[in-house]
Amino acid sequence: DAGVIQSPRHEVTEMGQEVTLRCKPISGHNSLFWYRQTMMRGLELLIYFNNNVPIDDSGMPEDRFSAKMPNASFSTLKIQPSEPRDSAVYFCASSYRDGTEAFFGQGTRLTVV
Amino acid sequence: QKEVEQNSGPLSVPEGAIASLNCTYSDRGSQSFFWYRQYSGKSPELIMFIYSNGDKEDGRFTAQLNKASQYVSLLIRDSQPSDSATYLCAVNPSNYGGSQGNLIFGKGTKLSVKP
Repeated sequence: DAGVIQSPRHEVTEMGQEVTLRCKPISGHNSLFWYRQTMMRGLELLIYFNNNVPIDDSGMPEDRFSAKMPNASFSTLKIQPSEPRDSAVYFCASSYRDGTEAFFGQGTRLTVV
Repeated sequence: QKEVEQNSGPLSVPEGAIASLNCTYSDRGSQSFFWYRQYSGKSPELIMFIYSNGDKEDGRFTAQLNKASQYVSLLIRDSQPSDSATYLCAVNPSNYGGSQGNLIFGKGTKLSVKP
C-alpha cells in the first residue's frame, strides 16, 4: 500500500481565500484523523471520522473549518476564509480501528499571507 | 482537559549512550500508548506501542509503562546520530470506561545524539 496520501504538499494562499486539503487513507482503515501541527501548540487533533462518520470535531477551531468524508477512500479539510494564523502543517492519518496506531501522511504545509 | 506532557528538551546524549525519554498523561483510564519519531520536516512515524504495565522491547528500543504513576518512557540503547529527531508520546484517551478513537499527542522531546 502507498500509505496515507495527502495533497497538495505545499499551499500558499492569500488571506480570505478558500483552501481545500485532501487525503486518501490507507485501504482498509476505518478511522481517519486530521491534525494540525505548529511549533507553539504541537500536534492538535482537529476532527476524526470512524467509518466515514465524524465522531469528534471539538478540535475544529471555528466555523471557518469544515471536514468531509464522502467515502472510505477520500476526505477533505476546507478552510474558508483562510487567515494568516491558519498557517501550519496539516496532517491526515488513518488507523485500522479505534484506538490503534495511526499512520500519517506526508502533510500539507499551508502558508496564508 | 486530557493532557500528555513531555520535556521539550533538547536532550543531548553521546553516540552509544542510552537515551531516556519520558512522558506523563492525565487520563487515568487511558489504555494504549504510542511513541512516534519525527524528523525535521517529515511526518511522525510509529516506533512502538504498549498496552500493558511493564517493559516492551523491540531492537534498540524499550517502552516502559506504569499506569499507577501515569508514566510511559522510551529507552534507546546504543544511540546513533540517526536517532536525532523529535520523539512524540501519544495516548489513546478513555471515554466512559471504553476508549476514544483518537490519539492525544505530547509536544515532543527533541533528541540530539552527538558523534
